[in-house]
Amino acid sequence: GAVVSQHPSWVICKSGTSVKIECRSLDFQATTMFWYRQFPKQSLMLMATSNEGSKATYEQGVEKDKFLINHASLTLSTLTVTSAHPEDSSFYICSAREEGLAGLTSTDTQYFGPGTRLTVL
Amino acid sequence: AQSVTQLGSHVSVSEGALVLLRCNYSSSVPPYLFWYVQYPNQGLQLLLKYTSAATLVKGINGFEAEFKKSETSFHLTKPSAHMSDAAEYFCAVRKNFGNEKLTFGTGTRLTIIP
Repeated sequence: GAVVSQHPSWVICKSGTSVKIECRSLDFQATTMFWYRQFPKQSLMLMATSNEGSKATYEQGVEKDKFLINHASLTLSTLTVTSAHPEDSSFYICSAREEGLAGLTSTDTQYFGPGTRLTVL
Repeated sequence: AQSVTQLGSHVSVSEGALVLLRCNYSSSVPPYLFWYVQYPNQGLQLLLKYTSAATLVKGINGFEAEFKKSETSFHLTKPSAHMSDAAEYFCAVRKNFGNEKLTFGTGTRLTIIP
């Protein structure tokens, strides 16, 4: 099956620093990837849709200057949390859409990475 | 707009008993529906999906779900629970066309009683 990896799996950083999280589709190409945030014991909140070769689309209320997304290739998207603060501590999960053999079709499925736990001190 | 409601944030069943996790959806257009499972400190794994083919969908690990349009439901079932089924389960919906995003329910935590 389709596999998505994330790196790092966990990171601890000081307040004010920036952290980059990588999301890779290992055995398929993904024009579209998604970034989610999950608070403890809560559901996933979509932050942004990452499109290869173009700007990301951010959900309402998500600061695009704080959460920088780069989708430079068909297998890699990165999320950079800039000037991180303790309130940014969370579990960040990416997903990649596996496209149908004939290109993007409406039945395409999202496959999720294992997540990255960010703790900002 | 699409939304899903998962009834019961916590469900406990005995090992070997039937598992039933409820999901009701709301959608302005015919939906695609998904069930995902999340183990502690991990990402989500796709259990099964409904994409307008057969209304009874079989997934991995013995789970299945039935799409019932008249009831706007997509409940997840498994005939006999295993200890390894203990996890968080999420129902999700999206439109059946276009480059559409998933909308998740709030999740149901399944506990298996030995």
